[in-house]
Amino acid sequence: QQQVKQSPQSLIVQKGGISIINCAYENTAFDYFPWYQQFPGKGPALLIAIRPDVSEKKEGRFTISFNKSAKQFSLHIMDSQPGDSATYFCAASGNSNSGYALNFGKGTSLLVTP
Amino acid sequence: DAGVTQSPTHLIKTRGQQVTLRCSPKSGHDTVSWYQQALGQGPQFIFQYYEEEERQRGNFPDRFSGHQFPNYSSELNVNALLLGDSALYLCASSMIGADTQYFGPGTRLTVL
Repeated sequence: QQQVKQSPQSLIVQKGGISIINCAYENTAFDYFPWYQQFPGKGPALLIAIRPDVSEKKEGRFTISFNKSAKQFSLHIMDSQPGDSATYFCAASGNSNSGYALNFGKGTSLLVTP
Repeated sequence: DAGVTQSPTHLIKTRGQQVTLRCSPKSGHDTVSWYQQALGQGPQFIFQYYEEEERQRGNFPDRFSGHQFPNYSSELNVNALLLGDSALYLCASSMIGADTQYFGPGTRLTVL
């Protein structure tokens, strides 16, 4: 069962535009929500992460928006660049009671065109 | 400071064989998790090791087993390989009590 649902499956954005990827979860025991970026043939690299006690976190061009009541969170990539073209995964994990495993979405393939 | 390292990079096996994959965690990390990533999918949690014990296990059969050594490095063993075991196997390390997991480059396993 997919504990984290991610959309869209693929996304094409023009250079300079905003890329938005959405995720939803069901397990209210989740308390850590990271985003990973993965290039072909490489392992996932941590981009940015958030906890439910804040509604937004920004690091450079990357922003996570978090809606605890709706159990949804999203990644915004501002001023998207061709070098941002990669697959992005949202994930969620819990604690000693709910488990430490990262539960990943199915990924979003982002293409930023010049 | 070396990140998470994995070996080998690529591996080709035939059905029924056994395979061992290796992982060295990031310096200062004591916890190792293993994930399986099928083509076009997100990583799926296999298990996590801490203090040489399996701390949590995902929904994988007993053919998948692991080990953690005193120096925190880890091995993933898969017995009786099936075609469906073909995937990228990822190792992630973390510090106990910390949420952030750092991934290695993975081992690409192909089962023929």
